[in-house]
Amino acid sequence: SQTIHQWPATLVQPVGSPLSLECTVEGTSNPNLYWYRQAAGRGLQLLFYSVGIGQISSEVPQNLSASRPQDRQFILSSKKLLLSDSGFYLCAWSAGVWPSTEAFFGQGTRLTVV
Amino acid sequence: LAKTTQPISMDSYEGQEVNITCSHNNIATNDYITWYQQFPSQGPRFIIQGYKTKVTNEVASLFIPADRKSSTLSLPRVSLSDTAVYYCLPPQGGKLIFGQGTELSVKP
Repeated sequence: SQTIHQWPATLVQPVGSPLSLECTVEGTSNPNLYWYRQAAGRGLQLLFYSVGIGQISSEVPQNLSASRPQDRQFILSSKKLLLSDSGFYLCAWSAGVWPSTEAFFGQGTRLTVV
Repeated sequence: LAKTTQPISMDSYEGQEVNITCSHNNIATNDYITWYQQFPSQGPRFIIQGYKTKVTNEVASLFIPADRKSSTLSLPRVSLSDTAVYYCLPPQGGKLIFGQGTELSVKP
């Protein structure tokens, strides 16, 4: 069966510090991978979307970046965090097989920038 | 790309049927409509997906009229544990774009 792992669960970082959040998927190959951010408890904002290694689409301008060094690994990074980067970050995968749009989410990372 | 419109919030009581309607005027011919449920501090969970008419699973039913410009998620006999945010997603070029969703509050 497929599983998705996301860590850490919570993180408190000072302003200006770097960030690295990692997400891995097991039990499937060539998944579509997603990073979302949710602020104030509502409305998931799609940050990055990847259909394959090295293929990453950035959905909103920000000081975050994403990389996909392996087929089932997706990393969210920042060189210098801002207060506005605080939020609930979610990684997700989908099989990307039409017509299914079923996606599976990780447990999320609660990031607080202080 | 299809833009969705859903009510911001809804209230219900235990045992009632709840219907949440989503408008998606510009849905593409081949797009399916998907609904997700999200509890606080958790990622969204897939509920149901459909293309036309009616789809039913163990959790909900999905009604889609012939023009496909809207869809209605029906939750039969809700319980307190159905209190959550519900999102309607038509695909957007393969991406999963979540709107603000509908916050359903089920009261005893």
